[in-house]
Amino acid sequence: SQKIEQNSEALNIQEGKTATLTCNYTNYSPAYLQWYRQDPGRGPVFLLLIRENEKEKRKERLKVTFDTTLKQSLFHITASQPADSATYLCALHSNSGYALNFGKGTSLLVTP
Amino acid sequence: NAGVTQTPKFQVLKTGQSMTLQCAQDMNHEYMSWYRQDPGMGLRLIHYSVGAGITDQGEVPNGYNVSRSTTEDFPLRLLSAAPSQTSVYFCASVKELGGEQFFGPGTRLTVL
Repeated sequence: SQKIEQNSEALNIQEGKTATLTCNYTNYSPAYLQWYRQDPGRGPVFLLLIRENEKEKRKERLKVTFDTTLKQSLFHITASQPADSATYLCALHSNSGYALNFGKGTSLLVTP
Repeated sequence: NAGVTQTPKFQVLKTGQSMTLQCAQDMNHEYMSWYRQDPGMGLRLIHYSVGAGITDQGEVPNGYNVSRSTTEDFPLRLLSAAPSQTSVYFCASVKELGGEQFFGPGTRLTVL
């Protein structure tokens, strides 16, 4: 069966450091992978999309890599800030292609 | 643009009651989805729609009905609520396949 795995343990880092979150998947041949941010009590918010032919994508302090051989994506936040504290979700398209399947998310806590 | 709106924000039901969760979007998106989010389970796809009059089942459709009579609206119906349907429900829409999904603020449902 298809699986999307993210580290269930919360990641605690100090302000200014780089946070790295991992997303591994099985039984997918994804054309793209997406990352979302979710704050408590709110809906997910789209951050980045990376396509299968892209190795890396950047947006301001965010960087995403996509290794289709390892079946893994890494999500980096450089110069992290307390405002980056949230849950980060990895998503791949569902079988139909019209919706998404999500990982369970990794909680990030950035302390001053 | 209001984006994706959901009503109500909170709802408490008794077992066996029925209700409709409302979802509307004003971005003229063809594709809409319903997800539920439970602690430790992540977001799971309930139903989705690829346009007015066209709906299909996701990962966890049992106990839920949907219809799509207009592009803007995608209501989710619980015909006979069960405690297992206690969850946070999110509606989402997307303009095109593989695109950014826009989520509503969610409905927190408790079934006693």
